[in-house]
Amino acid sequence: IAGITQAPTSQILAAGRRMTLRCTQDMRHNAMYWYRQDLGLGLRLIHYSNTAGTTGKGEVPDGYSVSRANTDDFPLTLASAVPSQTSVYFCASSRGSSYNEQFFGPGTRLTVL
Amino acid sequence: GQNIDQPTEMTATEGAIVQINCTYQTSGFNGLFWYQQHAGEAPTFLSYNVLDGLEEKGRFSSFLSRSKGYSYLLLKELQMKDSASYLCAPTDKLIFGTGTRLQVFP
Repeated sequence: IAGITQAPTSQILAAGRRMTLRCTQDMRHNAMYWYRQDLGLGLRLIHYSNTAGTTGKGEVPDGYSVSRANTDDFPLTLASAVPSQTSVYFCASSRGSSYNEQFFGPGTRLTVL
Repeated sequence: GQNIDQPTEMTATEGAIVQINCTYQTSGFNGLFWYQQHAGEAPTFLSYNVLDGLEEKGRFSSFLSRSKGYSYLLLKELQMKDSASYLCAPTDKLIFGTGTRLQVFP
């Protein structure tokens, strides 16, 4: 692993199903973030974690949950997917807080039908 | 609250210079980032300004005026590969602007 990875690359999901998007980084960064990107709306922060064991809500957290059991992994879970959650999801990490450069994963394209 | 304003689209010719402006209003401020995002790819870091003035990095420069809530990204000697979206992100609440889509024509 080099940098930050996400899985799956893309997914089509039926509404009401549960889905976990995976994110792993090997840079030993303290902070990690989940964004969604929709046409015309830009990147919007869903949840973040400043360090292992802590998480916080971003701009659009409803319908999503996260956990940060260790430094490397930051999964995003949709408990019951809805069509409005169709989007491209980016995971990112930074060495420290939001004042540091963020490194982004390649993204997961999620379609909820 | 936090508002970020960037032009939606810009076009320019190969070899030219283009300036992408960003104005922002934020309750707290600790610097401003610019990211580049090619279509279908993840954003990548371009620059970070924490003090007023111009930061130059090769063909790209970024300017910040904290008192005016204003920044710009200056791209010189444009190349076709510079066609991308450019995202302005003042620090504080980890909010990004919607981005400026730049198209460079031969």
